[in-house]
Amino acid sequence: NAGVTQTPKFQVLKTGQSMTLQCAQDMNHNSMYWYRQDPGMGLRLIYYSASEGTTDKGEVPNGYNVSRLNKREFSLRLESAAPSQTSVYFCASTAGLAGVETQYFGPGTRLLVL
Amino acid sequence: AQSVTQLGSHVSVSEGALVLLRCNYSSSVPPYLFWYVQYPNQGLQLLLKYTSAATLVKGINGFEAEFKKSETSFHLTKPSAHMSDAAEYFCAVSRVSGGGADGLTFGKGTHLIIQP
Repeated sequence: NAGVTQTPKFQVLKTGQSMTLQCAQDMNHNSMYWYRQDPGMGLRLIYYSASEGTTDKGEVPNGYNVSRLNKREFSLRLESAAPSQTSVYFCASTAGLAGVETQYFGPGTRLLVL
Repeated sequence: AQSVTQLGSHVSVSEGALVLLRCNYSSSVPPYLFWYVQYPNQGLQLLLKYTSAATLVKGINGFEAEFKKSETSFHLTKPSAHMSDAAEYFCAVSRVSGGGADGLTFGKGTHLIIQP
């Protein structure tokens, strides 16, 4: 099993450009999550999807949209990128609720917005 | 709201010495607590978790943590540090929302440095 995969690994954008970060898991997990990691800030939850067809805002949702395409895939979209969105983005999944169960993380996407 | 405080953004120990990484939490309900480790340029992986079964929790790679409700703490320890333990360590507490416990709130992380 590949676990949680993310594409791309690296991306450079100009302010105002849009892009979609892709995430897929092959563990048949119900819940999927997007976090961003900034130096000295730990990880902060952007959006999550407790099950296929549902999405909810996390701690820092502004400037992002998500789509739970099917049980395997959960994408994060930046409609108009801003320098403040320069970060490392991690996707994660759990079989059930992440407040109880182990989260499995992808390798991350490093995004630089100029 | 839940929160996590990790004391010390950087901790340096000698190889073979005791590792102690501190974590204090705030939660309005009995918490589930986690320690995750992140090696350079990688995602996070679970070290151990507390889910109310036992206060002393053993994890992978010789790490353990003790849940102390009176101190609202969940410190991570390892008796003897190894060079391979050098990494970033995150303490996390379960988020509680209207839909129940979902997602995690992470501390800011502690960078563990192992001196030869």
